[in-house]
Amino acid sequence: GENVEQHPSTLSVQEGDSAVIKCTYSDSASNYFPWYKQELGKRPQLIIDIRSNVGEKKDQRIAVTLNKTAKHFSLHITETQPEDSAVYFCAARLYNFNKFYFGSGTKLNVKP
Amino acid sequence: DVKVTQSSRYLVKRTGEKVFLECVQDMDHENMFWYRQDPGLGLRLIYFSYDVKMKEKGDIPEGYSVSREKKERFSLILESASTNQTSMYLCASSRGRGAKQETQYFGPGTRLLVL
Repeated sequence: GENVEQHPSTLSVQEGDSAVIKCTYSDSASNYFPWYKQELGKRPQLIIDIRSNVGEKKDQRIAVTLNKTAKHFSLHITETQPEDSAVYFCAARLYNFNKFYFGSGTKLNVKP
Repeated sequence: DVKVTQSSRYLVKRTGEKVFLECVQDMDHENMFWYRQDPGLGLRLIYFSYDVKMKEKGDIPEGYSVSREKKERFSLILESASTNQTSMYLCASSRGRGAKQETQYFGPGTRLLVL
């Protein structure tokens, strides 16, 4: 099956700085890569996703990049704000399967 | 707006008890999932279902079973609870396969403590 590794496990940045979270996957058949944000005590919610036929996707301060050759994808948050503090999970889905494989999570702390 | 609900936010059970966790979604989604979330391990898939009465094992099915008698409801059963099943359990649903149908919507979670 697929194996998704996520780094770093914790990340502390100053408000206004950028944050980058990286994930690698093992199965080249994976074709869909969502990112979820889980605030303390709340459910994970999708914030952005990318498919294997594109290399980058942006939504306001959030962007995701995908390198299929190297099998890694990254979440970029610019101009971080305290409300960005949360645990972020990456995931990968094998082509034509319903199973998602999640990374171990990154706890982002944005210091005011 | 998609709504996924779970029967309990917190549960305390004793070793050996049979435990039922229920999940209901109100958007006619085909796929439903049960995960457990443990610190440092992320979300691990226990079971999923892509149709009524259909189920498939995830990565950690041992000690669990599931039931999907109706499309909107997916139950996770711990036949004989053990202390290593103490965890946060998250249910999720998604519409189906294909582009724009893969987004998973999560329930609020059930924090289970097995004593």
